[in-house]
Amino acid sequence: GENVEQHPSTLSVQEGDSAVIKCTYSDSASNYFPWYKQELGKGPQLIIDIRSNVGEKKDQRIAVTLNKTAKHFSLHITETQPEDSAVYFCAATPGTGFQKLVFGTGTRLLVSP
Amino acid sequence: NAGVTQTPKFQVLKTGQSMTLQCAQDMNHNSMYWYRQDPGMGLRLIYYSASEGTTDKGEVPNGYNVSRLNKREFSLRLESAAPSQTSVYFCASSTVIGNQPQHFGDGTRLSIL
Repeated sequence: GENVEQHPSTLSVQEGDSAVIKCTYSDSASNYFPWYKQELGKGPQLIIDIRSNVGEKKDQRIAVTLNKTAKHFSLHITETQPEDSAVYFCAATPGTGFQKLVFGTGTRLLVSP
Repeated sequence: NAGVTQTPKFQVLKTGQSMTLQCAQDMNHNSMYWYRQDPGMGLRLIYYSASEGTTDKGEVPNGYNVSRLNKREFSLRLESAAPSQTSVYFCASSTVIGNQPQHFGDGTRLSIL
């Protein structure tokens, strides 16, 4: 089945710096890759997603890139702000069988003022 | 527009007790899911319901049962709680099953003594 690995597990940056979180997946047929942000005491919230027919997608300070050949995708946050501090999860949907979301283990991002 | 609502938010049980976690969504979604979140393990799917009237096992279903009461509501039941079921439980919904965004509730924090 699908396996998603996420790195790093923790990431500390200064306000204004960029942050990059990387995920790899095992199923070459996977076709949907969402990213979720989870704040303390809250449920995961979708922040951006990308499908396998697109290589990059941007939404203001957030972007996601997908490399299907290497089977990895990354979240890029530019001009980080303290309110970006949270746990971020990547996920992938296998291309065959029951298309459930398989989640990475999360990255705790800390943005210091 | 509340999205996905979970009740209760917190609960403490003794080993062997039973309990039902409630979930309701107001987005007219067809598919609903139950996950558990444990430290360092991301989100793992317990059960899902592709549409009203259907339910299926996810990757960690043992010790749980579910009921899709109607299109809006999807409940999770622990018949005889065990300490290993101490976790944070999240309900989610999506328009249809598969590679679609899932919307999460804010979770139920369950401790079993």
